[in-house]
Amino acid sequence: AQTVTQSQPEMSVQEAETVTLSCTYDTSESDYYLFWYKQPPSRQMILVIRQEAYKQQNATENRFSVNFQKAAKSFSLKISDSQLGDAAMYFCAYRSYQGAQKLVFGQGTRLTINP
Amino acid sequence: NAGVMQNPRHLVRRRGQEARLRCSPVKGHSHVYWYRQLPEEGLKFMVYLQKENIIDESGMPKERFSAEFPKEGPSILRIQQVVRGDSAAYFCASSPGQALTGELFFGEGSRLTVL
Repeated sequence: AQTVTQSQPEMSVQEAETVTLSCTYDTSESDYYLFWYKQPPSRQMILVIRQEAYKQQNATENRFSVNFQKAAKSFSLKISDSQLGDAAMYFCAYRSYQGAQKLVFGQGTRLTINP
Repeated sequence: NAGVMQNPRHLVRRRGQEARLRCSPVKGHSHVYWYRQLPEEGLKFMVYLQKENIIDESGMPKERFSAEFPKEGPSILRIQQVVRGDSAAYFCASSPGQALTGELFFGEGSRLTVL
């Protein structure tokens, strides 16, 4: 079974600075998706960024980018120019390309933005 | 376009009562997933359903919990004889039959409180 590990329960960053959230995963599959979801205090799950394992290029969405290291099974999220609205829980997630297709989540990292 | 709709948003039950949580997926989506989130924890997979079929219930407790996704109408997560440990946020997510982007679309969750 696949597992996702986020080793940083909490992180904080100064507004306008850059922060990197870590995520590692374990799988024997070669084709899969990786995601970062954001959960603000409203508890709504919001997709931040998506990476397909077959793509070597790291995904980027505005201020959000990932460092995808397939061999190391690492998928970190970098947030540039941090804003107060970025404060939330961030969850890394894995989804098989085939089969059951459920999302497997990490434990989450609580990100605090200091003004 | 309506997203995933969950109701009720908040539900209070006394120990021993039944809780029913409803989920209407994104229009055209045939796959539904239920997740549970305990306070300060990540999302734990419970069950994956397609219309009239349970595909994966590996995360469902063996007793008191059941789920269905009928041909017509919403998906229902039913918890019988609730206990205080059932207090949590229950999230529903949906995806189309073909995992075009791999993304699951989440509802806003139903928060169950057991007194």
